[in-house]
Amino acid sequence: DTEVTQTPKHLVMGMTNKKSLKCEQHMGHRAMYWYKQKAKKPPELMFVYSYEKLSINESVPSRFSPECPNSSLLNLHLHALQPEDSALYLCASSQDGRDSNYEQYFGPGTRLTVT
Amino acid sequence: LAKTTQPISMDSYEGQEVNITCSHNNIATNDYITWYQQFPSQGPRFIIQGYKTKVTNEVASLFIPADRKSSTLSLPRVSLSDTAVYYCLVGAPWGYQKVTFGIGTKLQVIP
Repeated sequence: DTEVTQTPKHLVMGMTNKKSLKCEQHMGHRAMYWYKQKAKKPPELMFVYSYEKLSINESVPSRFSPECPNSSLLNLHLHALQPEDSALYLCASSQDGRDSNYEQYFGPGTRLTVT
Repeated sequence: LAKTTQPISMDSYEGQEVNITCSHNNIATNDYITWYQQFPSQGPRFIIQGYKTKVTNEVASLFIPADRKSSTLSLPRVSLSDTAVYYCLVGAPWGYQKVTFGIGTKLQVIP
């Protein structure tokens, strides 16, 4: 199984709502990532988890709160978002070790619209 | 992190070979070069990775000169389904990856 799944596929939320994005992989990968991608722009790294610990936070506003409950799951909790946060949110996973065949596996993304 | 530069867009006719070049002048000794493909509203998909000389797999070839300051992704006999954005990334292949996607190259395949 080389698939990363993300739910929901689409999400519309108001600026006062609280919602969560979910990501799951069963490839035994110990590194998991959240990216944000605006239309016609490249993906931008938000967070990296390594062995369920937050390793990188790319100065993301606190209204985005990541969580890695176990090695297969990654969540992104959303609260008090702004309309400019509307984007495609991508989850990815990869090996985390001395492996020369580095590759990130991406999920299909969650299309988020903040109204 | 090594910065990459690619053409913003390219057009090609079906059946042609397409070469997309990426410049990475400050590539580090431990860095590998990786290419991803992305279709609209989908996550990027790994195409190929290499360190030096030439790497080939079932979908593409990657050519890296001796100075490693650039690389060329070669797609043989493209079809309409190859219309996508292609990203070149440079970084160490081990551990978790703090990768930076460049602007990417939008390849349009024309019938």
